[in-house]
Amino acid sequence: ETGVTQTPRHLVMGMTNKKSLKCEQHLGHNAMYWYKQSAKKPLELMFVYSLEERVENNSVPSRFSPECPNSSHLFLHLHTLQPEDSALYLCASSPEAGNTIYFGEGSWLTVV
Amino acid sequence: EDQVTQSPEALRLQEGESSSLNCSYTVSGLRGLFWYRQDPGKGPEFLFTLYSAGEEKEKERLKATLTKKESFLHITAPKPEDSATYLCAVLGANSKLTFGKGITLSVRP
Repeated sequence: ETGVTQTPRHLVMGMTNKKSLKCEQHLGHNAMYWYKQSAKKPLELMFVYSLEERVENNSVPSRFSPECPNSSHLFLHLHTLQPEDSALYLCASSPEAGNTIYFGEGSWLTVV
Repeated sequence: EDQVTQSPEALRLQEGESSSLNCSYTVSGLRGLFWYRQDPGKGPEFLFTLYSAGEEKEKERLKATLTKKESFLHITAPKPEDSATYLCAVLGANSKLTFGKGITLSVRP
């Protein structure tokens, strides 16, 4: 139990589908993150939220749309994805932006 | 631009054979260096944060050290359960966390 819970753990979607990844943190943290992890590449930061306000959008395509309704929940809405978007999507949280971050178990996404 | 280079890319050890993993970095205004362990199919698990050159931290068979240019993760008498990918990351003055590609460690019984 990491304190950061992600659902679903595995997702297969077609290129025309719309789906969402969900993240919930039970650590009382104020900052939440989405990272993408692809094989043989470093973790790529996608979005950062601090106190429910987006503070970082790392040139992510608009087919990825984040939502942070409160400091405990974070969503990543997916639509018209491409096969190259298949990866492990990691949610993380930290006490404040710029502190040690703690990751969830990840959501494995396969786009077919 | 901050950069992190981890070496070697992969390391195979015999159980009990001590070794070190290297993390070289360039960063503008180091605010912290982080080590994580990642098991296959799981998210990274936080191990250590180091803040300044000369600092050391230990946890069981792992010991992390930091200089102005690199960090080492020393593994003493490793066991098969230490097999995992070890990630290094630096936090710079711009509050951005930059990760290396990781080192995959395999420990044979």
